[in-house]
Amino acid sequence: AQSVTQLGSHVSVSEGALVLLRCNYSSSVPPYLFWYVQYPNQGLQLLLKYTSAATLVKGINGFEAEFKKSETSFHLTKPSAHMSDAAEYFCAVIKSGGSYIPTFGRGTSLIVHP
Amino acid sequence: KAGVTQTPRYLIKTRGQQVTLSCSPISGHRSVSWYQQTPGQGLQFLFEYFSETQRNKGNFPGRFSGRQFSNSRSEMNVSTLELGDSALYLCASSLSGPNTGELFFGEGSRLTVL
Repeated sequence: AQSVTQLGSHVSVSEGALVLLRCNYSSSVPPYLFWYVQYPNQGLQLLLKYTSAATLVKGINGFEAEFKKSETSFHLTKPSAHMSDAAEYFCAVIKSGGSYIPTFGRGTSLIVHP
Repeated sequence: KAGVTQTPRYLIKTRGQQVTLSCSPISGHRSVSWYQQTPGQGLQFLFEYFSETQRNKGNFPGRFSGRQFSNSRSEMNVSTLELGDSALYLCASSLSGPNTGELFFGEGSRLTVL
């Protein structure tokens, strides 16, 4: 069963516009949630993580994500897109009581237009 | 400090051959995880090693194997290569294990099977 779903394989925004990348998880128990970014020809880099402390999590490069239990969501946002934000973004989940191995979503490619 | 190093970065093999990929984790990290990344399946967990012991294993056939050495360096091997094994193989290291979600990824080894 899919543990994490990223809506939209591609998201296109203009430079300076709001970035919103969607992630929904399936778990009866609040899991640990993460966002990773992958730039071309590179490995993944951790952007931010939620581990049941504050529901609004701030990460690197101006990104933040809000954990909403009622919506089982952990969407990633950035107020103003920059050309350098163009990359692949992955949402990942670790389900409590499981193997504690991160399960990754299929990824969302962010395209930033000048 | 140096990041996760994977070698080789690119390689081409033919069906039926075998391949060995190497991963040197960040100094002090004892856990090494391997992931297969393909456009169709996204990131799929292969296995995780900690202190030379395989702690977790994903749902891959026995042709995929790995090991970890006393210096925490890890290798993975794929025998009897199939076309479908073409992928980017990512190695990730962490201090104590992937359960923290804080994985540090290498740039990957891109395998093409002809």
